[in-house]
Amino acid sequence: AQTVTQSQPEMSVQEAETVTLSCTYDTSESNYYLFWYKQPPSRQMILVIRQEAYKQQNATENRFSVNFQKAAKSFSLKISDSQLGDTAMYFCAPQGAQKLVFGQGTRLTINP
Amino acid sequence: EAGVAQSPRYKIIEKRQSVAFWCNPISGHATLYWYQQILGQGPKLLIQFQNNGVVDDSQLPKDRFSAERLKGVDSTLKIQPAKLEDSAVYLCASSLDHADTQYFGPGTRLTVL
Repeated sequence: AQTVTQSQPEMSVQEAETVTLSCTYDTSESNYYLFWYKQPPSRQMILVIRQEAYKQQNATENRFSVNFQKAAKSFSLKISDSQLGDTAMYFCAPQGAQKLVFGQGTRLTINP
Repeated sequence: EAGVAQSPRYKIIEKRQSVAFWCNPISGHATLYWYQQILGQGPKLLIQFQNNGVVDDSQLPKDRFSAERLKGVDSTLKIQPAKLEDSAVYLCASSLDHADTQYFGPGTRLTVL
């Protein structure tokens, strides 16, 4: 079984600042993927970034990047030059052979 | 490319009534998922279909919830009878195949009074 811990229930930063959201997970699988999804007030779950566990190189998607530490089972998300539109709930989610398991989420607010 | 479509967006019913939700996945996606997201929590998988067969329904309350995916495309999720604790957002997602990236629909917010 997979478990996910997001230790920061809420975070708040000023526009243009950099923010890092933390995530730790546990899995018995050797081959898996890791995802960050964002869910704005509209409720739509939007893919932010994906990391293959077999890759050592950290994934990057424009202003979003991850710090993947496989041995520590840590998967943090860094948002650079934060924008008002980044305000949302952020969910970390490992995916094994079949199932995507979500953490409790971090509520991120970007202030003008 | 069209995304995952869901309807209705909102539904308010009284307890013991029945309700149905509809999902149309991204064209060509073989795998379809239904999640329940209670306020303040992450989504929880209710059921996963591969084409029109059920892969995982271990967390589906089968005494009141049912789901089908006829012809391996659209899917419906039904609750009968509804309870107060069923109030949640119901999310549908699809992926090209199992273990591929999942893409989500806008969700249906259900309120049971």
